[in-house]
Amino acid sequence: DAEITQSPRHKITETGRQVTLACHQTWNHNNMFWYRQDLGHGLRLIHYSYGVQDTNKGEVSDGYSVSRSNTEDLPLTLESAASSQTSVYFCASSEGLAGPYEQYFGPGTRLTVT
Amino acid sequence: ILNVEQSPQSLHVQEGDSTNFTCSFPSSNFYALHWYRWETAKSPEALFVMTLNGDEKKKGRISATLNTKEGYSYLYIKGSQPEDSATYLCAFADYGGSQGNLIFGKGTKLSVKP
Repeated sequence: DAEITQSPRHKITETGRQVTLACHQTWNHNNMFWYRQDLGHGLRLIHYSYGVQDTNKGEVSDGYSVSRSNTEDLPLTLESAASSQTSVYFCASSEGLAGPYEQYFGPGTRLTVT
Repeated sequence: ILNVEQSPQSLHVQEGDSTNFTCSFPSSNFYALHWYRWETAKSPEALFVMTLNGDEKKKGRISATLNTKEGYSYLYIKGSQPEDSATYLCAFADYGGSQGNLIFGKGTKLSVKP
């Protein structure tokens, strides 16, 4: 069965360190998304990609970057981790442009920045 | 800034009760409205994607309606069961500010007591 996986599931890091969160999907979807989920907020879009070599900034992109070298993977990098980036991060993918296509979510990565 | 409002924030019902939640969104440049079900310790799963004014969708005991002209959608659960306990998210996409990407509400948390 097709799936979307994230690793690690839990990560503790120190302020200032570079951190990369992995996202891998076997749906063969062109479109992939990274969200963060915080208390008092809905899921907020960090970055998204509509295909290989395509990346775009979302609502809360400061301090994050992504790269897309193949269809299956969209790693999220925190260049210099800050305590404000402590959150739960979800990766998602969809068959078409986000609007009319349901998104399939990974299990999430809980990141703590100390 | 596009805003998606969900009400109520939380709801406690008895098994067998029917219930409904509201999602309000901007009524201009409408593209799509999604409902997701999010169980604790799992990832969000799509329930419905609606794109046309007047759309009605049904999956078992759960149904949803859409009014794009006035900017609201209702999610109904008939005869709630304990396994319906979850957070229900709605997400809106438009042709303008969201660039087709999903803007999520904060969710309605439903607890169903046996």
